[in-house]
Amino acid sequence: AQKITQTQPGMFVQEKEAVTLDCTYDTSDQSYGLFWYKQPSSGEMIFLIYQGSYDEQNATEGRYSLNFQKARKSANLVISASQLGDSAMYFCAETNGETGRRALTFGSGTRLQVQP
Amino acid sequence: NAGVTQTPKFRVLKTGQSMTLLCAQDMNHEYMYWYRQDPGMGLRLIHYSVGEGTTAKGEVPDGYNVSRLKKQNFLLGLESAAPSQTSVYFCASRPQGTYSNQPQHFGDGTRLSIL
Repeated sequence: AQKITQTQPGMFVQEKEAVTLDCTYDTSDQSYGLFWYKQPSSGEMIFLIYQGSYDEQNATEGRYSLNFQKARKSANLVISASQLGDSAMYFCAETNGETGRRALTFGSGTRLQVQP
Repeated sequence: NAGVTQTPKFRVLKTGQSMTLLCAQDMNHEYMYWYRQDPGMGLRLIHYSVGEGTTAKGEVPDGYNVSRLKKQNFLLGLESAAPSQTSVYFCASRPQGTYSNQPQHFGDGTRLSIL
């Protein structure tokens, strides 16, 4: 069974600094995808960034980048130049590309607080 | 630009009551999902559907039923609500695709309390 581990229940970062949120996954499949979602206090789930298991380059989306280390099975999210609006829960999730359902398996999340 | 719409947004039930949560998407997506989110945990898959008329169990299906009679709608039913089903319920959808890189689009959630 797939398992996603986020070992940081909470993180603090100063505004304008960079922060790394950790994520490790456990899958024996060759084809899979890794996602990061943001959940602000209002509760909605916002897609941030995706990394495929066959992608050779680390994914980037604006201030978000994904530090993908396949051999270590880690997919850490890096947020550069943190803003107050980045304060939220962040979830790492995996989908298995080899099954039909394409469902997401989520980690328990990291609560990020950006301090002015 | 509705995307995925969940109704209701909030509901309080008494133990033993039944109710149906509605999820509607206007993106012509094939796949639809129901997840629940409990405090301190990530989302967990309850049931899913890979197309109209099809449904399948996820990781935590007990106590729930689902139906997908129309492509755009995915209903989650609680036949006899229990306090353990107090949670926030999210519906999501995604397009059919060979690759896993299609992100799921989520509704805003339904906060359900069972007394």
